[in-house]
Amino acid sequence: SYELTQPPSVSVSPGQTASITCSGDKLGDKYACWYQQKPGQSPVLVIYQDNKRPSGIPERFSGSNSGNTATLTISGTQAMDEADYYCQAWDTSTVVFGAGTKLTVL
Amino acid sequence: EVQLVQSGAEVKKPGESLKISCKDSGYSFTSYWIGWVRQMPGKGLEWMGIIYPGDSDTRYSPSFQGQVTISADKSISTAYLQWSSLKASDTAMYYCVRTTTVPGGYFDYWGQGTLVTVSS
Repeated sequence: SYELTQPPSVSVSPGQTASITCSGDKLGDKYACWYQQKPGQSPVLVIYQDNKRPSGIPERFSGSNSGNTATLTISGTQAMDEADYYCQAWDTSTVVFGAGTKLTVL
Repeated sequence: EVQLVQSGAEVKKPGESLKISCKDSGYSFTSYWIGWVRQMPGKGLEWMGIIYPGDSDTRYSPSFQGQVTISADKSISTAYLQWSSLKASDTAMYYCVRTTTVPGGYFDYWGQGTLVTVSS
């Protein structure tokens, strides 16, 4: 079965750039999207179709997808960005989520 | 404004049946797919399956095929997730999600979640 691999954790200082990767076989041939989940809340879509931001998502969130790796980049990271982030793609007719990355802002 | 409103938390015993719901508001229910995502305590997101209320076309994750039933009643804009015999391992938060296309879509709206606790 298809798998998406994310680092379990990423740390970043406030104001710096955070990058979270998501790896899968030929992931660049598929659309990748990203969800942010804060404790006790439902996930929120932050990037779809590799690099598009939904309405209301700050411009500091951006995405890319090429080869075997999709990347979520948060520029000028703020304390409020501390959360779990999940990548997601489709493998034929099945949805696959990555295991999630805990972003710590310290 | 699009909203997916889920039914309330449930506490059940092993072997019992359960049906939880997800009611949409603010958009055309029959024009989108509604999916279900499981999140076990302290764990990540798992896709369970999806239904197109317009014609009841339903797809399941291989991991959940035969374990749950997804259905929808378009007359009341509500999707359902059902178990016939719960297990302790079904204890989790369950989210309904909306997506535009299958395959290839993204989940642009999420319900608030329904916590299911299965314990003797």
